[in-house]
Amino acid sequence: GAVVSQHPSWVICKSGTSVKIECRSLDFQATTMFWYRQFPKQSLMLMATSNEGSKATYEQGVEKDKFLINHASLTLSTLTVTSAHPEDSSFYICSADTGTGKETQYFGPGTRLLVL
Amino acid sequence: DAKTTQPPSMDCAEGRAANLPCNHSTISGNEYVYWYRQIHSQGPQYIIHGLKNNETNEMASLIITEDRKSSTLILPHATLRDTAVYYCIVFGNEKLTFGTGTRLTIIP
Repeated sequence: GAVVSQHPSWVICKSGTSVKIECRSLDFQATTMFWYRQFPKQSLMLMATSNEGSKATYEQGVEKDKFLINHASLTLSTLTVTSAHPEDSSFYICSADTGTGKETQYFGPGTRLLVL
Repeated sequence: DAKTTQPPSMDCAEGRAANLPCNHSTISGNEYVYWYRQIHSQGPQYIIHGLKNNETNEMASLIITEDRKSSTLILPHATLRDTAVYYCIVFGNEKLTFGTGTRLTIIP
């Protein structure tokens, strides 16, 4: 099946710094990628929808200036957490839409962010 | 998207069939029922989906009632590796909305 990778798998950073997370579709082209956030013992919450070559669509309550999303190619989307704070510590997961209509979305393995 | 209701947790003995129910009474005609699972600290994994007919693949079977207001995911021979949170999602547009799911624990 289609494979989605994320890098890094985990990251620790100091408060106030920025962190970039990459999401890649390895064996298919993804016109749409999605970014989710998951806090401990909670479900996944959609943050934004990223379309190749256009601006991302953010869900209500998600700050677009804090969570910068770039989808410059059909196989790569990046999420940059700017000026990270401890409350941004979470599990960030991306998914990609294959466009086949069968499995809808393939998910990456996730990136665990810890902000000190 | 229509909302779903799942029991928060279930146990199942290893080797037995695990039957996970889901209610989606407000589902509309063009919405599919999708099942994903999430093993601890991993991204969700697609299991199966269906519209109105029962479906089966190498992982599971999906039974959808005739009125489409509920469905059951069946793992025919549960193993310890099937311990995970299982999400039932009704999908009609481009966004998957995850509920709280069912935490399935397979007991040795």
